[in-house]
Parts: sequence; C-alpha cells; structure tokens
Amino acid sequence: KDQVFQPSTVASSEGAVVEIFCNHSVSNAYNFFWYLHFPGCAPRLLVKGSKPSQQGRYNMTYERFSSSLLILQVREADAAVYYCAVECQRGSARQLTFGSGTQLTVLP
Amino acid sequence: EAQVTQNPRYLITVTGKKLTVTCSQNMNHEYMSWYRQDPGLGLRQIYYSMNVEVTDKGDVPEGYKVSRKEKRNFPLILESPSPNQTSLYFCATFVRRGSAGELFFGEGSRLTVL
Repeated sequence: KDQVFQPSTVASSEGAVVEIFCNHSVSNAYNFFWYLHFPGCAPRLLVKGSKPSQQGRYNMTYERFSSSLLILQVREADAAVYYCAVECQRGSARQLTFGSGTQLTVLP
Repeated sequence: EAQVTQNPRYLITVTGKKLTVTCSQNMNHEYMSWYRQDPGLGLRQIYYSMNVEVTDKGDVPEGYKVSRKEKRNFPLILESPSPNQTSLYFCATFVRRGSAGELFFGEGSRLTVL
C-alpha cells in the first residue's frame, strides 16, 4: 500500500534549524510536496519538487524515497502542522498521498 | 484573488440527516478533490474529479457522494451522516505547473455528527 511516513511531533528552540523527515513506500512517485497548516486556515504549499529546492527559509532535500524539510531560523510563529506529500500516478491521474502531519513546537 | 471556497465552515448535525458541503473555485482548474483530516491520520482523499461529469473514488469514499455538474463546483454529499464522519474536510483544486503539480486548498469545513 502506498504510504507516506513522517514523525508526529518535532520540537525546536527559536533560532535553530529544524529538520522534519519524510519517507514513503509509494510506487511511481514523482515529486515531494511540503505543506504548512495553521488551524482554521487552508494548508499552504511551502516547497515542492524532485530535486533539492529552496523557498525563502524553507529548504527541501530530495532522495528517491525520502525528503526532509529544513526550516531556517525557526520562530515561534512557525509552530504549526507540516504535511509531507508524494505525487504519484494512479490510473490516468496524478495524485498526492499525504503523511499524517508533523506538529512543530518552537520553544522560546 | 484565486480562491477555493467551502461552505459551511462549521456544522453540527445529527446522525442520518442529509447534508451537503459546497466547494467552489474561481481558478478554472479541471481537477478538484475532497480530503478529510483526522488526528494521526493526516489528509485522506475521499473523492476526486478530473473534469465535469468525471468523478472517482479516493482512499476513503464510503458514506460520501460527489457531483461535478459544472467546472467551478464540487459539492460533497453525506446522505446519512454517522458519528465516524465527524472530521475536518478540505476541498482542493490541482493544477500542473511545470514538472510538478500543486494543490490549492479551501479553509476547511469542520463537521460534527452527533
């Protein structure tokens, strides 16, 4: 079964670099996606791709079956749920399979 | 402004009372989908639609129906809601951009079934 795995919680101190790891067992995988979700808001795309990428303070590493999201100079306001997703082919459509989400806690 | 709009945002209902959660998008995207978010389970796809009049089951379709009569709307129908359908629901559109696609989410609809 296609599955995406990520830790349920990660904690960090303010100003540090946080790494959230993700790996998968998805066949026909193409791209990784990292989404940020604050309660009451729409999940928002941070970074995506099939190679290492950077968008502002967000870096994404890439291996065929794993990816890490690195958040530079983490702030208390970054405390949220981060979702890893893998894009794969299902029939005639490309679909995203999500992990269960990682709750980031940032300590002052 | 590009938007995916869901209504209602919050709803409390009782077992067996039919309800519909509407979803509308203004981006002219062909692909739309519904997810439910549950603690420890992340986002699981319920149904998706690749275009008007084309719908298909996702990973957890039981107890749900959808329709796609026009491009901009993709309502989620619970014919006879049960307590295990208490969840946070997200509608999303998907578009290909270069080598990778992107999902655009609505703000979510929190449903409680008593």
